[in-house]
Amino acid sequence: AQSVTQLGSHVSVSEGALVLLRCNYSSSVPPYLFWYVQYPNQGLQLLLKYTTGATLVKGINGFEAEFKKSETSFHLTKPSAHMSDAAEYFCAVSRPFNTDKLIFGTGTRLQVFP
Amino acid sequence: SQTIHQWPATLVQPVGSPLSLECTVEGTSNPNLYWYRQAAGRGLQLLFYSVGIGQISSEVPQNLSASRPQDRQFILSSKKLLLSDSGFYLCAWSRAGIAGATPGGYNEQFFGPGTRLTVL
Repeated sequence: AQSVTQLGSHVSVSEGALVLLRCNYSSSVPPYLFWYVQYPNQGLQLLLKYTTGATLVKGINGFEAEFKKSETSFHLTKPSAHMSDAAEYFCAVSRPFNTDKLIFGTGTRLQVFP
Repeated sequence: SQTIHQWPATLVQPVGSPLSLECTVEGTSNPNLYWYRQAAGRGLQLLFYSVGIGQISSEVPQNLSASRPQDRQFILSSKKLLLSDSGFYLCAWSRAGIAGATPGGYNEQFFGPGTRLTVL
């Protein structure tokens, strides 16, 4: 069975500081991995995804994530936080070509202080 | 392009009243459809998903039911709401997968704007 663990339900950073949101997965097959962002009272929006190929994936809004098979991790980073990055972030995993379900982590709320 | 709609955006209902939330998708055919719930301070809980008309899979036993009367319409219902049904309900869709298809072209889910349900 697949699962996702997001370490830290809340992360706080200062504006301009590095953002690091952690995600570890468990999967018996090479996974597809996703990061979604949710702004207050809105649906989820895809930030980036890893399927195959290059393990460093760049997404929207300056975010990127690196798939590390040896560490079973897919951490999300952004070099310099902006106030508009304050939101909840969800990591998700699925089996390749199995489109019935994504398995979501419990989310990390990012706060950005001026 | 594809779009997904949910309504209503907000809803306040008394305990014991019925519920009907609707989700429709435009610009695609035969999508997979999903209902999720977010309770306050908690993550996403998958409630139902459907891979075709009339095909509903329930993930957790509960007070809710789902139906898919048309290809791109997904409805979440309850006969009698409970206080614990309060939350933010999200509908999502994904492309129906084909083994060996282009990597990354499937699996990704696209979310609607959500419905905030408060049961009093």
